[in-house]
Amino acid sequence: AQTVTQSQPEMSVQEAETVTLSCTYDTSESNYYLFWYKQPPSRQMILVIRQEAYKQQNATENRFSVNFQKAAKSFSLKISDSQLGDTAMYFCAFQWGRAQKLVFGQGTRLTINP
Amino acid sequence: GAGVSQSPSNKVTEKGKDVELRCDPISGHTALYWYRQSLGQGLEFLIYFQGNSAPDKSGLPSDRFSAERTGGSVSTLTIQRTQQEDSAVYLCASGERDEQFFGPGTRLTVL
Repeated sequence: AQTVTQSQPEMSVQEAETVTLSCTYDTSESNYYLFWYKQPPSRQMILVIRQEAYKQQNATENRFSVNFQKAAKSFSLKISDSQLGDTAMYFCAFQWGRAQKLVFGQGTRLTINP
Repeated sequence: GAGVSQSPSNKVTEKGKDVELRCDPISGHTALYWYRQSLGQGLEFLIYFQGNSAPDKSGLPSDRFSAERTGGSVSTLTIQRTQQEDSAVYLCASGERDEQFFGPGTRLTVL
Protein backbone atom coordinates (compact mmCIF):
# COMPACT_ATOMS: atom_id res chain seq x y z
CA ALA A 1 0.00 0.00 0.00
CA GLN A 2 1.12 3.52 -0.73
CA THR A 3 1.70 5.93 2.15
CA VAL A 4 2.47 9.63 2.21
CA THR A 5 4.12 11.38 5.15
CA GLN A 6 4.33 15.09 5.88
CA SER A 7 6.50 15.56 8.94
CA GLN A 8 5.79 19.25 9.53
CA PRO A 9 2.33 19.80 11.05
CA GLU A 10 2.78 23.57 11.11
CA MET A 11 5.11 26.17 9.64
CA SER A 12 5.22 29.92 9.84
CA VAL A 13 7.32 32.40 7.84
CA GLN A 14 7.39 36.10 7.11
CA GLU A 15 5.99 37.52 3.91
CA ALA A 16 8.46 37.48 1.00
CA GLU A 17 10.53 34.68 2.53
CA THR A 18 11.09 31.30 0.93
CA VAL A 19 9.64 28.22 2.61
CA THR A 20 10.01 24.50 1.90
CA LEU A 21 7.42 21.90 2.83
CA SER A 22 8.56 18.29 3.12
CA CYS A 23 6.88 15.13 1.87
CA THR A 24 8.03 11.55 1.66
CA TYR A 25 6.14 8.59 0.25
CA ASP A 26 6.41 4.86 0.03
CA THR A 27 5.46 2.82 -3.01
CA SER A 28 6.63 -0.13 -5.05
CA GLU A 29 5.15 1.33 -8.21
CA SER A 30 7.40 2.80 -10.89
CA ASN A 31 4.85 4.92 -12.72
CA TYR A 32 2.94 7.38 -10.57
CA TYR A 33 2.03 11.02 -10.04
CA LEU A 34 2.69 13.35 -7.14
CA PHE A 35 0.74 16.47 -6.28
CA TRP A 36 0.67 19.37 -3.89
CA TYR A 37 -2.78 20.70 -3.06
CA LYS A 38 -3.60 23.88 -1.17
CA GLN A 39 -6.67 24.14 1.04
CA PRO A 40 -7.44 27.66 2.30
CA PRO A 41 -10.08 28.28 4.99
CA SER A 42 -12.73 28.27 2.24
CA ARG A 43 -12.23 24.47 2.17
CA GLN A 44 -11.68 24.38 -1.61
CA MET A 45 -8.85 22.06 -2.57
CA ILE A 46 -6.70 23.74 -5.21
CA LEU A 47 -4.01 22.00 -7.23
CA VAL A 48 -0.70 23.81 -6.79
CA ILE A 49 1.70 21.65 -8.76
CA ARG A 50 2.10 18.11 -10.05
CA GLN A 51 5.00 15.86 -10.98
CA GLU A 52 5.04 12.76 -13.14
CA ALA A 53 7.44 10.18 -11.77
CA TYR A 54 8.96 9.34 -15.15
CA LYS A 55 10.02 12.95 -15.66
CA GLN A 56 13.40 13.80 -14.17
CA GLN A 57 12.91 17.54 -14.47
CA ASN A 58 11.41 19.17 -11.42
CA ALA A 59 8.04 20.83 -12.01
CA THR A 60 7.66 24.59 -11.54
CA GLU A 61 4.63 26.86 -11.51
CA ASN A 62 5.51 30.50 -11.06
CA ARG A 63 6.61 30.89 -7.41
CA PHE A 64 6.09 27.19 -6.69
CA SER A 65 8.63 24.50 -7.45
CA VAL A 66 9.32 20.97 -6.31
CA ASN A 67 12.42 19.00 -5.49
CA PHE A 68 11.61 15.48 -6.64
CA GLN A 69 14.08 12.83 -5.49
CA LYS A 70 12.73 9.55 -6.85
CA ALA A 71 15.33 7.28 -5.31
CA ALA A 72 14.81 8.85 -1.90
CA LYS A 73 11.02 8.96 -2.41
CA SER A 74 10.98 12.60 -1.47
CA PHE A 75 8.82 15.36 -2.94
CA SER A 76 9.25 18.77 -1.30
CA LEU A 77 7.49 22.00 -2.24
CA LYS A 78 9.32 25.31 -2.31
CA ILE A 79 7.37 28.54 -2.22
CA SER A 80 9.42 31.59 -3.18
CA ASP A 81 8.54 35.19 -2.33
CA SER A 82 5.72 33.98 -0.08
CA GLN A 83 2.51 36.01 0.01
CA LEU A 84 -0.24 36.39 2.58
CA GLY A 85 -2.56 34.53 0.23
CA ASP A 86 -0.36 31.46 0.50
CA THR A 87 -1.65 30.90 4.04
CA ALA A 88 -3.42 27.54 3.91
CA MET A 89 -3.18 23.82 4.61
CA TYR A 90 -0.93 22.09 2.12
CA PHE A 91 -1.38 18.44 1.26
CA CYS A 92 1.03 16.21 -0.54
CA ALA A 93 -0.70 13.46 -2.52
CA PHE A 94 0.24 10.33 -4.43
CA GLN A 95 -1.64 8.81 -7.34
CA TRP A 96 -0.76 5.47 -8.85
CA GLY A 97 -1.41 5.59 -12.56
CA ARG A 98 -3.92 7.72 -14.35
CA ALA A 99 -7.43 8.25 -13.04
CA GLN A 100 -6.73 6.53 -9.75
CA LYS A 101 -7.54 7.55 -6.19
CA LEU A 102 -5.33 10.00 -4.34
CA VAL A 103 -3.50 9.08 -1.15
CA PHE A 104 -2.91 12.15 0.97
CA GLY A 105 -0.40 13.10 3.63
CA GLN A 106 -1.51 14.53 6.94
CA GLY A 107 -1.07 18.11 5.79
CA THR A 108 1.09 21.08 6.80
CA ARG A 109 -0.55 24.24 8.07
CA LEU A 110 1.40 27.15 6.59
CA THR A 111 1.00 30.67 7.92
CA ILE A 112 2.51 33.66 6.15
CA ASN A 113 2.93 36.59 8.53
CA PRO A 114 2.94 40.23 7.41
CA GLY B 1 -18.06 25.98 -17.51
CA ALA B 2 -18.53 25.76 -13.74
CA GLY B 3 -16.38 23.58 -11.57
CA VAL B 4 -17.47 20.72 -9.35
CA SER B 5 -20.43 21.65 -7.18
CA GLN B 6 -21.69 19.97 -4.05
CA SER B 7 -24.88 20.31 -2.07
CA PRO B 8 -25.74 21.02 0.60
CA SER B 9 -22.81 23.10 1.78
CA ASN B 10 -23.58 22.22 5.38
CA LYS B 11 -25.78 19.54 6.84
CA VAL B 12 -26.72 19.03 10.47
CA THR B 13 -28.54 15.85 11.33
CA GLU B 14 -29.46 13.77 14.33
CA LYS B 15 -27.83 10.49 15.12
CA GLY B 16 -29.64 7.64 13.42
CA LYS B 17 -31.01 9.67 10.51
CA ASP B 18 -30.10 9.01 6.87
CA VAL B 19 -28.42 11.73 4.78
CA GLU B 20 -27.77 12.22 1.08
CA LEU B 21 -24.93 14.33 -0.25
CA ARG B 22 -24.88 15.39 -3.88
CA CYS B 23 -22.02 16.02 -6.29
CA ASP B 24 -22.26 17.59 -9.75
CA PRO B 25 -19.00 16.93 -11.60
CA ILE B 26 -17.45 18.93 -14.38
CA SER B 27 -19.25 18.12 -17.61
CA GLY B 28 -17.47 15.46 -19.62
CA HIS B 29 -15.33 14.11 -16.79
CA THR B 30 -15.57 10.33 -16.70
CA ALA B 31 -13.98 9.86 -13.28
CA LEU B 32 -15.67 10.84 -10.02
CA TYR B 33 -14.27 10.43 -6.52
CA TRP B 34 -15.55 10.85 -2.98
CA TYR B 35 -13.19 11.61 -0.10
CA ARG B 36 -13.78 12.30 3.58
CA GLN B 37 -11.82 14.83 5.62
CA SER B 38 -11.98 14.53 9.39
CA LEU B 39 -9.82 15.73 12.26
CA GLY B 40 -8.86 12.28 13.39
CA GLN B 41 -8.38 10.53 10.05
CA GLY B 42 -7.21 13.27 7.72
CA LEU B 43 -8.18 12.94 4.07
CA GLU B 44 -9.31 9.46 3.11
CA PHE B 45 -10.63 7.93 -0.07
CA LEU B 46 -14.16 6.55 -0.03
CA ILE B 47 -15.29 5.50 -3.51
CA TYR B 48 -14.36 6.02 -7.15
CA PHE B 49 -16.43 5.81 -10.36
CA GLN B 50 -14.79 5.50 -13.76
CA GLY B 51 -17.08 5.55 -16.79
CA ASN B 52 -19.26 2.45 -16.96
CA SER B 53 -16.89 0.29 -14.92
CA ALA B 54 -17.86 -1.13 -11.55
CA PRO B 55 -17.02 1.44 -8.86
CA ASP B 56 -14.06 1.00 -6.52
CA LYS B 57 -15.74 0.86 -3.11
CA SER B 58 -12.65 -0.15 -1.19
CA GLY B 59 -12.60 3.00 0.94
CA LEU B 60 -16.14 2.88 2.28
CA PRO B 61 -15.84 2.54 6.09
CA SER B 62 -18.99 0.48 6.64
CA ASP B 63 -22.08 -0.86 4.90
CA ARG B 64 -23.97 2.22 6.09
CA PHE B 65 -22.19 4.11 3.32
CA SER B 66 -23.18 3.80 -0.33
CA ALA B 67 -22.93 5.89 -3.47
CA GLU B 68 -24.32 5.88 -6.94
CA ARG B 69 -23.66 7.79 -10.10
CA THR B 70 -26.58 8.25 -12.45
CA GLY B 71 -26.09 8.63 -16.18
CA GLY B 72 -22.37 8.99 -15.77
CA SER B 73 -22.84 12.42 -14.25
CA VAL B 74 -24.37 13.37 -10.88
CA SER B 75 -23.39 11.30 -7.87
CA THR B 76 -25.10 10.85 -4.51
CA LEU B 77 -23.35 9.63 -1.38
CA THR B 78 -25.79 8.15 1.13
CA ILE B 79 -25.05 7.54 4.78
CA GLN B 80 -27.64 5.49 6.63
CA ARG B 81 -28.22 5.56 10.37
CA THR B 82 -25.65 8.30 10.87
CA GLN B 83 -23.27 8.14 13.82
CA GLN B 84 -21.34 10.95 15.48
CA GLU B 85 -18.09 9.63 14.03
CA ASP B 86 -19.51 10.32 10.56
CA SER B 87 -19.13 14.05 11.23
CA ALA B 88 -16.63 15.31 8.64
CA VAL B 89 -16.27 17.25 5.43
CA TYR B 90 -17.16 15.13 2.41
CA LEU B 91 -15.29 16.14 -0.71
CA CYS B 92 -16.14 15.19 -4.26
CA ALA B 93 -13.73 15.42 -7.17
CA SER B 94 -14.04 14.76 -10.87
CA GLY B 95 -11.28 14.29 -13.35
CA GLU B 96 -9.74 13.10 -16.53
CA ARG B 97 -6.46 11.22 -16.76
CA ASP B 98 -4.10 12.43 -14.06
CA GLU B 99 -5.77 15.49 -12.53
CA GLN B 100 -8.66 15.78 -10.11
CA PHE B 101 -10.75 18.89 -9.55
CA PHE B 102 -12.41 19.23 -6.19
CA GLY B 103 -15.72 20.66 -5.11
CA PRO B 104 -16.14 22.86 -2.03
CA GLY B 105 -17.28 19.96 0.11
CA THR B 106 -20.24 19.28 2.37
CA ARG B 107 -19.70 19.69 6.09
CA LEU B 108 -21.75 17.03 7.88
CA THR B 109 -22.43 17.38 11.59
CA VAL B 110 -24.13 14.53 13.40
CA LEU B 111 -25.56 15.53 16.78
